[in-house]
Amino acid sequence: EDKVVQSPLSLVVHEGDTVTLNCSYEVTNFRSLLWYKQEKKAPTFLFMLTSSGIEKKSGRLSSILDKKELFSILNITATQTGDSAIYLCAAASTGTASKLTFGTGTRLQVTL
Amino acid sequence: NAGVTQTPKFQVLKTGQSMTLQCAQDMNHEYMSWYRQDPGMGLRLIHYSVGAGITDQGEVPNGYNVSRSTTEDFPLRLLSAAPSQTSVYFCASRQTGGSGNTIYFGEGSWLTVV
Repeated sequence: EDKVVQSPLSLVVHEGDTVTLNCSYEVTNFRSLLWYKQEKKAPTFLFMLTSSGIEKKSGRLSSILDKKELFSILNITATQTGDSAIYLCAAASTGTASKLTFGTGTRLQVTL
Repeated sequence: NAGVTQTPKFQVLKTGQSMTLQCAQDMNHEYMSWYRQDPGMGLRLIHYSVGAGITDQGEVPNGYNVSRSTTEDFPLRLLSAAPSQTSVYFCASRQTGGSGNTIYFGEGSWLTVV
């Protein structure tokens, strides 16, 4: 059974801190690892990672994949209150159906 | 520019009632899916479809039916609602074989079964 595990489950930090969110996966026919940010409504796409060791970066957010150890991290530097959200990690499998298996998410709260 | 449209946004049902969550997309996507999201559980796949006339079960299909008579629509039916089906439901669509960065989510439907 495909499985994605995220840690920590929740995190409270002060504005300006740097955070690292973890995602490990066990997925048959792994294709890619995706990160989403979810505020009050639907998840919004952040990154897709398919190759090991290549960092994806968008502003203060960055992510990297390790396909040998089967994990990914999402870093957020200089956190802001607007970063408060649930961060979801999902593993996509190959094939026509290409299912996404989601982790439970990490709830991040950034306080002033 | 509608994308994925889900209705209703909020619904309260009594145990045993049936209802249908509607999902429509206007992007000509072949793949459509329904997820439910519960606290501490992430998103779990209920049913999915890779094209009109084709549906398949996901991780948590019990108590739900789907059909795909057209490319655009993918309704989710609760046959006899139970309190365990209280959840937030998301419909999503993308091109077949596409990876997650092309997945589009609806705004969600908050369902409470009392």
